[in-house]
Parts: sequence; structure tokens; C-alpha cells
Amino acid sequence: DTGVSQDPRHKITKRGQNVTFRCDPISEHNRLYWYRQTLGQGPEFLTYFQNEAQLEKSRLLSDRFSAERPKGSFSTLEIQRTEQGDSAMYLCASSFGQSLAKNIQYFGAGTRLSVL
Amino acid sequence: QKEVEQDPGPLSVPEGAIVSLNCTYSNSAFQYFMWYRQYSRKGPELLMYTYSSGNKEDGRFTAQVDKSSKYISLFIRDSQPSDSATYLCAMSSSGGSYIPTFGRGTSLIVHP
Repeated sequence: DTGVSQDPRHKITKRGQNVTFRCDPISEHNRLYWYRQTLGQGPEFLTYFQNEAQLEKSRLLSDRFSAERPKGSFSTLEIQRTEQGDSAMYLCASSFGQSLAKNIQYFGAGTRLSVL
Repeated sequence: QKEVEQDPGPLSVPEGAIVSLNCTYSNSAFQYFMWYRQYSRKGPELLMYTYSSGNKEDGRFTAQVDKSSKYISLFIRDSQPSDSATYLCAMSSSGGSYIPTFGRGTSLIVHP
């Protein structure tokens, strides 16, 4: 499978715990994005990487959220001290980047987080 | 007011009907317009993308962009039950990061 891969598909955790999600982009893509999607809403941008550099963060990305992309390959998104409001689908996408025509994003299946 | 407005539906149609899905937007800098299909508990899948105004056709799908009215549409001909999904419009501007802004999605139900 050469698409965007996310792991785990579903995570259930208790409030206050830390969770980490992983995303493996399409191998030739240099841009990687994280989004959050709640029920009945479209994806909301969280952050993106160009290779290993984190170039933009949304104001939605609170201090409890951190993302990394070591060596410009896979990425991890960590949420510390989870809150019930963090319950959502976390989507990862990748693209070639840089030009408008090449920035079509391809999404993974997402990680559904449930905070009890 | 959100930058991108999309009626959430649900839109229920019989099999074989022509479906019209629409979005309006307020940011005149948007130049790139996309439609994604999202099945329940799956990630969005790119259906079509267009640059600036005009029409684009791909099989049963036609995308239209009217920048003067800030209005985009997706038409689905001969709709099938397998088309039942949520359809998300997305758009981005040139320059910078090209991060798309998504609509909230329209839920489409095609019944046999």
C-alpha cells in the first residue's frame, strides 16, 4: 500500500493521559500535515512540515500538543494531559508541496481519539 | 461567518438522480478548489480539483467554479448508492503554505 498510513486507527484513553499517533506519508512527498476533525465538521488544520522543518502551527495547537518529523519521513503527534475536548479524528495528509498545482493533499484513514 | 460555507444536509436522492453540491466562500484570494469524498470513519479522498474559474469533468463528476460569485459546485450524474458519503469542498490561495480551508461537508444519501 503506497498511501498515507496512520497508526493506531482508534485510541481510547482516560483524561489526563498522554497519547501519541504516528503518520507515514507517501514516500516521495515532502510535505506532511496534521488536521483535526470533529463530528459534522470539515478537517481543521493543526500543523505542517516541509521535510523535517515544522513551518506552520495553527492556534488550535495548544501547548499540550507537539508534533515531530525526524529525518523528514514519518511524523508523530503527541497530546499531553488529554482532555475530553481532544476527542476527535486526527488526520494526516501529505503532498509534494511548494506549488499550488503540486500541493494536492492525500489523506490517511485517521486516528480516532476517544478521551473518557 | 466562516470563510467557506457548505450546507451539511443530509441530501437524500434516488438512484440515478443528478446531484448538485455547493459551497460559497468569502476569501477572494482562493484560487484552487477541491472536492473530497469521505466515507464514514475514513479519511477524505480527493475527487477533483480545479484552478480558478471554469468547469472540469471526470466521468460522472463535474466541478464548476464561479469566482465572480464566489460559488463552487460539484455535479454527480447517474448517482449510485456507492456515492453515499460526505462531500467536502476545500480551497486555497496561492503563495505561502497553500493550506486548504475546508467546508463542513454535505452528507449525501443515494437510495436504491
